[in-house]
Amino acid sequence: DQQVKQNSPSLSVQEGRISILNCDYTNSMFDYFLWYKKYPAEGPTFLISISSIKDKNEDGRFTVFLNKSAKHLSLHIVPSQPGDSAVYFCAASKATNAGKSTFGDGTTLTVKP
Amino acid sequence: GAGVSQSPSNKVTEKGKDVELRCDPISGHTALYWYRQRLGQGLEFLIYFQGNSAPDKSGLPSDRFSAERTGESVSTLTIQRTQQEDSAVYLCASSRPGQGNYNEQFFGPGTRLTVL
Repeated sequence: DQQVKQNSPSLSVQEGRISILNCDYTNSMFDYFLWYKKYPAEGPTFLISISSIKDKNEDGRFTVFLNKSAKHLSLHIVPSQPGDSAVYFCAASKATNAGKSTFGDGTTLTVKP
Repeated sequence: GAGVSQSPSNKVTEKGKDVELRCDPISGHTALYWYRQRLGQGLEFLIYFQGNSAPDKSGLPSDRFSAERTGESVSTLTIQRTQQEDSAVYLCASSRPGQGNYNEQFFGPGTRLTVL
């Protein structure tokens, strides 16, 4: 039973447009959510996070939205740049078990010039 | 400072052999994690260390897999009697719970294991 799901394996957008990556989770105990970006042959790097007490967190071109009732979060990238092309992983964790994050399978974003 | 390092970067082994994968976390990071990523799949949690104790080993796939950590430093992941399905990238991450984004993990570049 996969607790964190990224249903779109890939997404292609034009440079300058908005990229929206989606993530759904099933465990209502999750209270902290993170997005990581991964380039080929490198480990994932932290991008942005959100606590369950918030519904939005913004950092430059990146904004994460959390809808707790729908158990859904999304990452918006505006404007998208070719350097944003990477695999994006959604992760979720519980404050009571801060050591363990459950990851989705990732979405490959391609930003075309 | 230096990031998380892993060695070797690539390992090719024959089925049935044992392998050891090494992870050097960021200095001062008390928590260390091992993940496995099979081709085209997400990150699969294996084990988590807080200091040198492992409160969560729930992700280890079988008793062929074991891990240890020396103090709050180096960790080794050992796979005995490797099988072809063990082929994957093994990622290590570290974090410093209790400060800032306490769940943020810093990943190493991974070890690509190929079992022939």
